[in-house]
Amino acid sequence: DGGITQSPKYLFRKEGQNVTLSCEQNLNHDAMYWYRQDPGQGLRLIYYSQIVNDFQKGDIAEGYSVSREKKESFPLTVTSAQKNPTAFYLCASRDGYNEKLFFGSGTQLSVL
Amino acid sequence: KNEVEQSPQNLTAQEGEFITINCSYSVGISALHWLQQHPGGGIVSLFMLSSGKKKHGRLIATINIQEKHSSLHITASHPRDSAVYICAVRPQPPPLSVSYTGNQFYFGTGTSLTVIP
Repeated sequence: DGGITQSPKYLFRKEGQNVTLSCEQNLNHDAMYWYRQDPGQGLRLIYYSQIVNDFQKGDIAEGYSVSREKKESFPLTVTSAQKNPTAFYLCASRDGYNEKLFFGSGTQLSVL
Repeated sequence: KNEVEQSPQNLTAQEGEFITINCSYSVGISALHWLQQHPGGGIVSLFMLSSGKKKHGRLIATINIQEKHSSLHITASHPRDSAVYICAVRPQPPPLSVSYTGNQFYFGTGTSLTVIP
């Protein structure tokens, strides 16, 4: 079955530590996104990528970094510069043909 | 400033009731999406609309482009419909833009629906 796989489901970060959230898709989509979800707020865009080796900052990119070395993979690193990382992180992709959005099951990141 | 506003924020219904969730937006759009988020967090796309009306099972989505408004209706609601419903819009690119990628979406804060047996 085609879809987006995010891992891990739960992640704990110690102060000063960088952590990486995995996002893999087998849908052959070019466009991929990382969103942050906080209680009571809409999804906010962290980074997006239209194509391999290209990515753009979203509204809240500070303290985060991404790479897009393969079409299937779009990992997100939460760096120690992100002072309030506790949130639910969602990876998504967009079908360039019918514009439908696909989401992963999310990663809950908490600070120890 | 929220480009997308949803109402109500929270909704409790008895099983079998007809439910309406509303979405208003303030920008020109190329498409509007209705999404469903279940406890546990994963999001599923229900509909994508650029005009008119779409129906899938007990779910109906409508959009009025002139009024910048969309509604999601659930007929004969069931406890398994309990979820957060999110409206998202993809804005039209600005005119004469050479750098706009069109990859941004604006999301509403969601409507939390609970259907009681």
